Amino acid sequence: GQNIDQPTEMTATEGAIVQINCTYQTSGFNGLFWYQQHAGEAPTFLSYNVLDGLEEKGRFSSFLSRSKGYSYLLLKELQMKDSASYLCAVRLVNDYKLSFGAGTTVTVRA
Amino acid sequence: GAVVSQHPSRVICKSGTSVKIECRSLDFQATTMFWYRQFPKQSLMLMATSNEGSKATYEQGVEKDKFLINHASLTLSTLTVTSAHPEDSSFYICSATSGGANEQFFGPGTRLTVL
Repeated sequence: GQNIDQPTEMTATEGAIVQINCTYQTSGFNGLFWYQQHAGEAPTFLSYNVLDGLEEKGRFSSFLSRSKGYSYLLLKELQMKDSASYLCAVRLVNDYKLSFGAGTTVTVRA
Repeated sequence: GAVVSQHPSRVICKSGTSVKIECRSLDFQATTMFWYRQFPKQSLMLMATSNEGSKATYEQGVEKDKFLINHASLTLSTLTVTSAHPEDSSFYICSATSGGANEQFFGPGTRLTVL
């Protein structure tokens, strides 16, 4: 199986920046995804990294280091609506399946 | 973007009954669909992978005779929870992908409550 670790909870202030780390141990890595999930809803896609480096998409950025088995999701200019669970998921080579981390609950406070 | 629907969104049933959940890809052909289960405050746990026209592949620990999956067409997969019990109460989410695509597109989920 795969070990995917991310912090359980994080709290930040509106307008601030929060970085959610994800570490993984897998065999045959083929991409890392970040999803956002609001309570009682399905996950929505945020980002995908398969090569090392930073992918920026508006207020959200995701970074990957394959040699370190490490990724982070950076949320800038936090808004109240960003309060949600953020899921890190890893895909293996020749396999469309995703293995999800337990998720990080981010609470944005005014 | 690609849209995946699920029906019903919420179901309450008595213990011992069977419940069918439908997952449809509305604007693309889904060669592969996935079924997940999520308990409160936990992450998504993959139950099975479903390919059109073939038998589903179940993850370890998931009873294939209890969770029947049918993927009869490129736009529809169904999950039937047979003889449901209260411990089967959960949030069931499907996702779909087309061949070669990076992304899985998730349905809105089905909240199952077994009394």
